[in-house]
Amino acid sequence: QVQLVESGGGLVKPGESLRLSCAASGFTFSDYYMHWIRQAPGKGLEWVSYITSSGSYTYYADSVKGRFTISRDNSGNSVFLQMNSLRVEDTGLYYCARLRRDGYHDLDYWGRGTPVNVSS
Amino acid sequence: SSELTQDPAVSVAFGQTVRITCQGDSLRTYYTTWYLQKPGQAPVLVIYGVNNRPSGIPDRFSASRSGNTASLTITGAQAEDEADYYCCSRDSSGDHLLFGGGTKLTVL
Repeated sequence: QVQLVESGGGLVKPGESLRLSCAASGFTFSDYYMHWIRQAPGKGLEWVSYITSSGSYTYYADSVKGRFTISRDNSGNSVFLQMNSLRVEDTGLYYCARLRRDGYHDLDYWGRGTPVNVSS
Repeated sequence: SSELTQDPAVSVAFGQTVRITCQGDSLRTYYTTWYLQKPGQAPVLVIYGVNNRPSGIPDRFSASRSGNTASLTITGAQAEDEADYYCCSRDSSGDHLLFGGGTKLTVL
């Protein structure tokens, strides 16, 4: 069955960095676009970034552009989110999600999320 | 504009029909995807495309659109439908996803 497991979250100070990972299993990872979505405590969902299946193209929300970098390792079935210059407002639960084949913004499988806490 | 607007909260009596709406200019161009999220859980895809349900989603969930407003309708609401519901589409560039602010559904 499809599984997405995020890791790498933690408590950091403003200005520091974190690298999130999402390990995928149960499907042909290299066939799918992958997304990161975050949710601040008690707030709604915010799209962060996505990467195409080959890794050739990446897209970012304006709030993270220039600070975050999404990448993937198709041989290792993983997608990553390198987060630099972290801000307090980056605090939240970070989910990775798979885009449904032939979908446009249909995220059909989500991980359970990894928490990021940016605080001085 | 690049925003999707949802009512913060809606309530429905058990077994009745409820409609959750989402407004945004981009909805005239792109279809709307709907997700539900229960407390402490990851979001779940409920509706995609024009009006398609993933396997396992009951047929009491349906979607429609008129102009810049998309709607998710639950016909015969059940207690387990109590959740936060989010609409999702693309912004005007087509490169970015947008989520609505979410609607908290209470089943009375």
